[in-house]
Amino acid sequence: EVQLVESGGGLVQPGGSLRLSCAASGFTFSSYDMSWVRQAPGKGLEWVSGISDSGGSTYYADSVKGRFTISRDNSKNTLHLQMNSLRAEDTAIYFCAKVLRHFDYWGQGTLVTVSS
Amino acid sequence: QSALTQPRSVSGSPGQSVTISCTGTSSDVGGYNYVSWYQQDPGKAPKLMIYDVSKRPSGVPDRFSASKSGNTASLTISGLQAEDEGDYYCCSYAGTYTWVFGTGTQVTVL
Repeated sequence: EVQLVESGGGLVQPGGSLRLSCAASGFTFSSYDMSWVRQAPGKGLEWVSGISDSGGSTYYADSVKGRFTISRDNSKNTLHLQMNSLRAEDTAIYFCAKVLRHFDYWGQGTLVTVSS
Repeated sequence: QSALTQPRSVSGSPGQSVTISCTGTSSDVGGYNYVSWYQQDPGKAPKLMIYDVSKRPSGVPDRFSASKSGNTASLTISGLQAEDEGDYYCCSYAGTYTWVFGTGTQVTVL
């Protein structure tokens, strides 16, 4: 059974940093691209960032480019999202998702709140 | 990338059919056959319902169907059931490893 479990969310002040993690199991993690998708409170879904199966290629939405860094550790079946220079508009539930040309499995999400 | 346009809400009685539209551009919906649809219950993770425009993952009832014409994709729920209530989002691949989601549609079973 595919499982994706996010962690690392919390309350952070504007300008601060946070590192999210996503522990994967139930599939060959190193064979699949992965992504982060977020959802602001009461709002829709927004693709944030993606990474190739090997970790050699990374991609970002314009809204987070230069501030967020996606990475993965295939030896530990773990996906990460390093978030710097956080803004109030980054407040959201962050989901990790397994990627084909769509998102076939999702974690339950971790809440990030950016507020002073 | 701007969000794909969906109606804010649709509703229908049990047994009826509802259709949700998803309008994008030639750079996303119209440019790729990689439109997917997700159902999301409050407080839950999205669930994949349709991928590659019209394919259903195993376990998704066949009352869910979808298609695409030009820059607009559509999801139809036939034989509406109470359990079909929730928010539905379309999503399209938009090239260079980017995706764009729709604005979301709330489905209500009357």
